Formats: sequence, C-alpha cells, structure tokens
Amino acid sequence: AQTVTQSQPEMSVQEAETVTLSCTYDTSENNYYLFWYKQPPSRQMILVIRQEAYKQQNATENRFSVNFQKAAKSFSLKISDSQLGDTAMYFCAFITNDMRFGAGTRLTVKP
Amino acid sequence: EPEVTQTPSHQVTQMGQEVILRCVPISNHLYFYWYRQILGQKVEFLVSFYNNEISEKSEIFDDQFSVERPDGSNFTLKIRSTKLEDSAMYFCASVGQGYNEQFFGPGTRLTVL
Repeated sequence: AQTVTQSQPEMSVQEAETVTLSCTYDTSENNYYLFWYKQPPSRQMILVIRQEAYKQQNATENRFSVNFQKAAKSFSLKISDSQLGDTAMYFCAFITNDMRFGAGTRLTVKP
Repeated sequence: EPEVTQTPSHQVTQMGQEVILRCVPISNHLYFYWYRQILGQKVEFLVSFYNNEISEKSEIFDDQFSVERPDGSNFTLKIRSTKLEDSAMYFCASVGQGYNEQFFGPGTRLTVL
C-alpha cells in the first residue's frame, strides 16, 4: 500500500526562524514525484515545492527547501525566515498513478 | 496563467438529492482528478480520469459517484443520492504532459443537510 505519514499534527515557530516539517512515505514504485502543498484558511491547495524521485539534488524554492532521502523514504520541508503568511496546513503528497496525501501539519508562525 | 476552475464554490443540498460538481481543467491537460477533504481531515483521492475513462478509483468512489467529461472542457463529478457524510470540500485537479504537477482548482464546498 502507498502511504504518506506526517507525524507532527501541529507545529509552531517564531517569525523569522526556521522550521522543519517531516514526512515519510511508503511505495514500491521507483519513479514518482513528491510535493508539499500549503492550505491556508481559504482551503485552497497551493503547491509549495516539488521533487522528482530520480533527482538526487534537493529542490529549493526561495525560503522553502526539502531534504529528500530516497532510501529512507523521507521528504522533509524546511521553511527559512518564517513569515506570518506561512501559517497554514501543510500536506506532503506523492504521485504515481494517483496522488496520496499525508494527514497534514498545522503550522503556526508567531509574531 | 492558466488555472483550473470549479463551480459552484459552495453547494447546499438536502440528503438524498443529486448534485453535480463542475470543473474546467486547464485546456491542454490530459489527466483529471477528483479529491475530497472532510473538514479537518486530509485530502483523499477519489478518482482519476484519462482518455475519457476512469483510470483509477478509490474505495470511497462507490456506485453513488460518477464522473464525466461531457463536452471536452468540463469535467463533472456527480453524486446520485447525497448522504450527510458527503459534506466536504471537493477539489478537481488536472495534469498535463510530463505528469509531474497537479494543478488544483479552488474547490467546491458541499454541505448536505
């Protein structure tokens, strides 16, 4: 079975500090894509960052970066210089034939 | 920038009624998906659609659900006889060539009374 596990239901961080959200997954596929989505109170799904499983280099997108460990099936998200607007639910997901999501981590950035 | 659109943004219906949720995927995309998110829970895959047929579906997608692409642009999700537990946010998504990013619509909030 393909599963995604986010073990941190809630996290908080002070504005301007760095926070890391963890994600592990399980799949027998070798080719897949991994994503972090942000869901603000509006409930829209916003893509934060994407990683192709065949690429060893960790993806970065401005203040967002990932630590992708394929052998360990781990895909954590690091948010640097946290901003108040980063407050949201964050979902880890991967796609092979369909997309599977983790349960989410509710991140609160405190002023 | 092209985007996925969904209508209505909010649908309220009585239990047992049929609802149709509409999505307009990005025009040159080939793969289409419906997801459901019950309030406070994770996003759940319902169904994927490619080449005018269902390619994958989850255990949630039972006989009460159906999907259609009636006119080459709209992609619809029909729930034949809604139940209270169908109340959720329903997201449509589409994927183009390369199959590496799903573009999500803004969602339709379905409330079953």
